[in-house]
Amino acid sequence: DTGVSQDPRHKITKRGQNVTFRCDPISEHNRLYWYRQTLGQGPEFLTYFQNEAQLEKSRLLSDRFSAERPKGSFSTLEIQRTEQGDSAMYLCASSRGGSENYGYTFGSGTRLTVV
Amino acid sequence: DAKTTQPNSMESNEEEPVHLPCNHSTISGTDYIHWYRQLPSQGPEYVIHGLTSNVNNRMASLAIAEDRKSSTLILHRATLRDAAVYYCILRDGAGTASKLTFGTGTRLQVTL
Repeated sequence: DTGVSQDPRHKITKRGQNVTFRCDPISEHNRLYWYRQTLGQGPEFLTYFQNEAQLEKSRLLSDRFSAERPKGSFSTLEIQRTEQGDSAMYLCASSRGGSENYGYTFGSGTRLTVV
Repeated sequence: DAKTTQPNSMESNEEEPVHLPCNHSTISGTDYIHWYRQLPSQGPEYVIHGLTSNVNNRMASLAIAEDRKSSTLILHRATLRDAAVYYCILRDGAGTASKLTFGTGTRLQVTL
């Protein structure tokens, strides 16, 4: 169990640029979640995959955001035309399916700064 | 998701027990009580969860009130490494997959 990996750890980008983050979940976990966290707040849910299917998206996920999990393994989160308000920590988590009792394992996050 | 209420912050001395309270008066019969913690510059970490009975694991104990409207996370001997934000979350155990919905949690400070 190597944990959930996120890449990059930090990203600084200019406003208007596109950015893509990657998440590698624990291999036997079929559920994958993306969250966003701003300073002083708890993580906010963005979207969730079960295998390759994206089953739920938050209203926070505007048209500029897109997430994929093409083969049910790793996932990417892309933000197009970044805005300063997108600056946040983006967290990925994975869990086993089949029971709501299974805990989430989170990665260390990607910190995005839009300048 | 049913809501939880936690104090914004708490302080503890090292090597003393810490009791972190959580109120969840609107809890439903199928809601599990989950606790996560988040150390500085890290993602949240699962701590413990339970439904009705008290639970113990290597990290902590969870005491659940008989009416389930409140619970307490117990750290038996706080260390400096326990300084973190602790989140109490209700998660529906019935039906389709439900996501974790975080509040603002309790920031625990541990001092020497």
